Amino acid sequence: DSGVTQTPKHLITATGQRVTLRCSPRSGDLSVYWYQQSLDQGLQFLIQYYNGEERAKGNILERFSAQQFPDLHSELNLSSLELGDSALYFCASSARQATNYGYTFGSGTRLTVV
Amino acid sequence: DQQVKQNSPSLSVQEGRISILNCDYTNSMFDYFLWYKKYPAEGPTFLISISSIKDKNEDGRFTVFLNKSAKHLSLHIVPSQPGDSAVYFCAASLTGANNLFFGTGTRLTVIP
Repeated sequence: DSGVTQTPKHLITATGQRVTLRCSPRSGDLSVYWYQQSLDQGLQFLIQYYNGEERAKGNILERFSAQQFPDLHSELNLSSLELGDSALYFCASSARQATNYGYTFGSGTRLTVV
Repeated sequence: DQQVKQNSPSLSVQEGRISILNCDYTNSMFDYFLWYKKYPAEGPTFLISISSIKDKNEDGRFTVFLNKSAKHLSLHIVPSQPGDSAVYFCAASLTGANNLFFGTGTRLTVIP
């Protein structure tokens, strides 16, 4: 158990729908990162929050949004889902804002859009 | 634009032999490099890292080599064990950056 909790583990939904993925960071970590891993792709950075504030945006679609709550858990909202959004979505957390020391990943949410 | 590349999607090695996983990068400003290991149904876990001021870092059976002039790093696993079978991701970061840049991964299979 890495200490980073992601729910749900699996999600199957139809095109056009909206889903919310949830992440609880490791205790004491203030930064939360969201990554997407599509088939045969590396981990693509989506967005980072630090202590409730958005700090960095990567290749995140406008249909996607995220937030970090006062208790530091984070949610990734995916709307108007398309078949191509099917992927593994990982959350990671770190104590610091920058990443030179790496971070701890959750086990991911596998999203299947049908 | 993939700034970190792992050109070998898969690698098979006999148990007890050396596994060498390679990674290339394009951004000369990267100053920290990490390797992550990922088992099925789990998230990536940190394995070993190296700062750009070094050319080698060793941790038990795992050694990472960095060749800055070639923008290349490699992970050596000696001796390889069946439990090392996993997907290995190379990652890089910039000082003060807010995210890591990952390669596409190499699936290592260690044959007993």
